[in-house]
Amino acid sequence: AQSVTQLDSQVPVFEEAPVELRCNYSSSVSVYLFWYVQYPNQGLQLLLKYLSGSTLVKGINGFEAEFNKSQTSFHLRKPSVHISDTAEYFCAVSRGANAGKSTFGDGTTLTVKP
Amino acid sequence: DTGVSQDPRHKITKRGQNVTFRCDPISEHNRLYWYRQTLGQGPEFLTYFQNEAQLEKSRLLSDRFSAERPKGSFSTLEIQRTEQGDSAMYLCASSSRGGTDEQYFGPGTRLTVT
Repeated sequence: AQSVTQLDSQVPVFEEAPVELRCNYSSSVSVYLFWYVQYPNQGLQLLLKYLSGSTLVKGINGFEAEFNKSQTSFHLRKPSVHISDTAEYFCAVSRGANAGKSTFGDGTTLTVKP
Repeated sequence: DTGVSQDPRHKITKRGQNVTFRCDPISEHNRLYWYRQTLGQGPEFLTYFQNEAQLEKSRLLSDRFSAERPKGSFSTLEIQRTEQGDSAMYLCASSSRGGTDEQYFGPGTRLTVT
């Protein structure tokens, strides 16, 4: 079985400050890792994904994440946030291609204040 | 193709009534997923299809829930004898087989059972 833990349920931050949203996972097999963003009243949208290779993954809107196998973590970062980054962020894991479902964390609410 | 669509976007029903939701995936995607999301939690997997075959069902999916995907295109999720605990956002997603399990989500159907 696989599980995902997002360590912070809410992260408030001022505009132009850096931010890190933390995600730990557990799985007995190799996994694919994802970060999704959900803006109010919208569906989930993929920010970035880790499949294999370089452990630093760059995504849309200036976000990046680093896969750390030894710590089973996949933390999301952005060096300078904007008001428009205010949203719910979900970390997810799947067991790889053809594995079917993804398992999601409970989400982190990022609130960017002016 | 503009993405995954779901209908209706909102549904209010009385306890004990049956409801049916529809999902139209991205046309070239052969995998279709249903998730349920309640306030403060991430999406919980319900079931998924590869073409018309239902390959996995969560234990969350009680006998009152049934999903179909005739002809491997759109899918329906029916809830019979609704209960107040069924109130949630029902999300549909689609992906390509042999891909990277990147799932494209629809906007969701919000169900309120009174």
